[in-house]
Amino acid sequence: KNQVEQSPQSLIILEGKNCTLQCNYTVSPFSNLRWYKQDTGRGPVSLTIMTFSENTKSNGRYTATLDADTKQSSLHITASQLSDSASYICVVSAIPGGTALIFGKGTTLSVSS
Amino acid sequence: DVKVTQSSRYLVKRTGEKVFLECVQDMDHENMFWYRQDPGLGLRLIYFSYDVKMKEKGDIPEGYSVSREKKERFSLILESASTNQTSMYLCASSMTGKGDTQYFGPGTRLTVL
Repeated sequence: KNQVEQSPQSLIILEGKNCTLQCNYTVSPFSNLRWYKQDTGRGPVSLTIMTFSENTKSNGRYTATLDADTKQSSLHITASQLSDSASYICVVSAIPGGTALIFGKGTTLSVSS
Repeated sequence: DVKVTQSSRYLVKRTGEKVFLECVQDMDHENMFWYRQDPGLGLRLIYFSYDVKMKEKGDIPEGYSVSREKKERFSLILESASTNQTSMYLCASSMTGKGDTQYFGPGTRLTVL
């Protein structure tokens, strides 16, 4: 069964600290993996996308890594800010076309001052 | 910028009422999607459409129907609302062949009493 598992479920860190969120997937075939950020009360917004051949992708202070062999991805947030408080959702696409997405349940990150 | 708008941010309806949720996108995307998002369950696909007047069932279509009469507009219909349909509803759109990134609307928080 195609699944995307994220850990931890929630995380609290102090402003300025770094953190890493994990995503493990059992999706086959594999097309790409995305990380979305969802602020409270808003729709998700795409942060990064990686295909099978890519193992790292950055978007400002966000860096995503992908190990297609172990089927693991991580999202590293550097020098966290209060505005990073959000839910981060890992999404795996089984085939190109956008209609076969498997969503993780998300990690809720709270950054406190 | 891609813009996906949803007709209401908050909606309160009574059990048995017919409910219409409207979604409009302004980027000429072929694909449109309706999800519901519940705590601990993540996003679940209700229906999607890859062309005008075309629709496909997602993972949880029971109790819902959709309509796509124009390319830019995708409606979700609850024929007879029930309390277990209280949820956050998210609309998304994507363009075929462009990495299938989905762009989400702000969501509609529906409460059925």
